[in-house]
Amino acid sequence: DAKTTQPPSMDCAEGRAANLPCNHSTISGNEYVYWYRQIHSQGPQYIIHGLKNNETNEMASLIITEDRKSSTLILPHATLRDTAVYYCIVISNRDDKIIFGKGTRLHILP
Amino acid sequence: NAGVTQTPKFQVLKTGQSMTLQCAQDMNHEYMSWYRQDPGMGLRLIHYSVGAGITDQGEVPNGYNVSRSTTEDFPLRLLSAAPSQTSVYFCASSYGHANTGELFFGEGSRLTVL
Repeated sequence: DAKTTQPPSMDCAEGRAANLPCNHSTISGNEYVYWYRQIHSQGPQYIIHGLKNNETNEMASLIITEDRKSSTLILPHATLRDTAVYYCIVISNRDDKIIFGKGTRLHILP
Repeated sequence: NAGVTQTPKFQVLKTGQSMTLQCAQDMNHEYMSWYRQDPGMGLRLIHYSVGAGITDQGEVPNGYNVSRSTTEDFPLRLLSAAPSQTSVYFCASSYGHANTGELFFGEGSRLTVL
């Protein structure tokens, strides 16, 4: 079973920041949080990952709470091309089974 | 680099037929895996491999076989196709083990079993 919980869908206005939450309350100390997205029927695309510090790259920012039980993916200026399903997953350095949940379907509204 | 290449992109089978979905990567990745995605659903892990000669089962392995004779290739075999195996299949690879960075996905193979 997936170790994360995400809302099934969210809306965001174009140009605004999209904040996608993820709950991983059972995360253990050696587990990383990864985010992927899947645009239409393409293969998923890696976005960002982190352990406990906040991370930022050219695509997004990842904010992990201090207790690591939840995280938020931030797309700072959402565009219509960001419409996709976003998956939050946790991966340990011992487990090679990468289990995806159902993700959050993000709709960017013009 | 071609990345992760899946063939065929589309396939129609009759119930009971067998076939192999091919997956090849040219990035010298140790980790490879297969997922299936049913309409409106998330990805479910079928099998994975952490290196040549090593494979293991994922969430939904029944009805599928895999082998990893080389680092580059990770074929998925359907032994006796069933309509329940109608799905989109994605192959993925990663450098090192699963948690060492991003997974690279292929474009998918769309399989219909009649």
